[in-house]
Amino acid sequence: EDQVTQSPEALRLQEGESSSLNCSYTVSGLRGLFWYRQDPGKGPEFLFTLYSAGEEKEKERLKATLTKKESFLHITAPKPEDSATYLCAVHPDSNYQLIWGAGTKLIIKP
Amino acid sequence: DTEVTQTPKHLVMGMTNKKSLKCEQHMGHRAMYWYKQKAKKPPELMFVYSYEKLSINESVPSRFSPECPNSSLLNLHLHALQPEDSALYLCASSWTSSSYEQYFGPGTRLTVT
Repeated sequence: EDQVTQSPEALRLQEGESSSLNCSYTVSGLRGLFWYRQDPGKGPEFLFTLYSAGEEKEKERLKATLTKKESFLHITAPKPEDSATYLCAVHPDSNYQLIWGAGTKLIIKP
Repeated sequence: DTEVTQTPKHLVMGMTNKKSLKCEQHMGHRAMYWYKQKAKKPPELMFVYSYEKLSINESVPSRFSPECPNSSLLNLHLHALQPEDSALYLCASSWTSSSYEQYFGPGTRLTVT
């Protein structure tokens, strides 16, 4: 069964304290892995698409990496405005729709 | 421009009301989606339109009726909803239905009383 698990559920960091969010997946075949950011009461904001193991993408303080079993979203020197829920979604070969993780709620304290 | 717009932002309706949610995109995307999201849960797919035709209905109750008047517009007609239908309703679009880089709108917060 296709499955996506995100950890931790919540992460509290001090401003400037770097860390990583994890998205582990079990799928029959991977067409793509997607990271989104979601602020409370708003729609998910697309961040990155990763297609193959070894691929990396960066945007400002965020860097996404992909292996055959998991993806990491590294956040470097975060600021309070980076506080949000980060969602990971996978498009498997066996399914026409995205399989979503439950998300990681990131809180950055000033 | 990767903008998807949705109206209204908030909607309160009684169980006997009929209302509609609207979504618009001008990115030239040919696939459009309706999702439902409950608090602290990921989005849940409801419908997929591909080239203005309904291609996927995820066994959604008939009190939800989608419509795609043209390639830029997507509506969701609501009738006789239940309180448990209260949620954030999200519209998304992508180049095609096999391109899963989806761009989401801000959502409509629906409350059914």
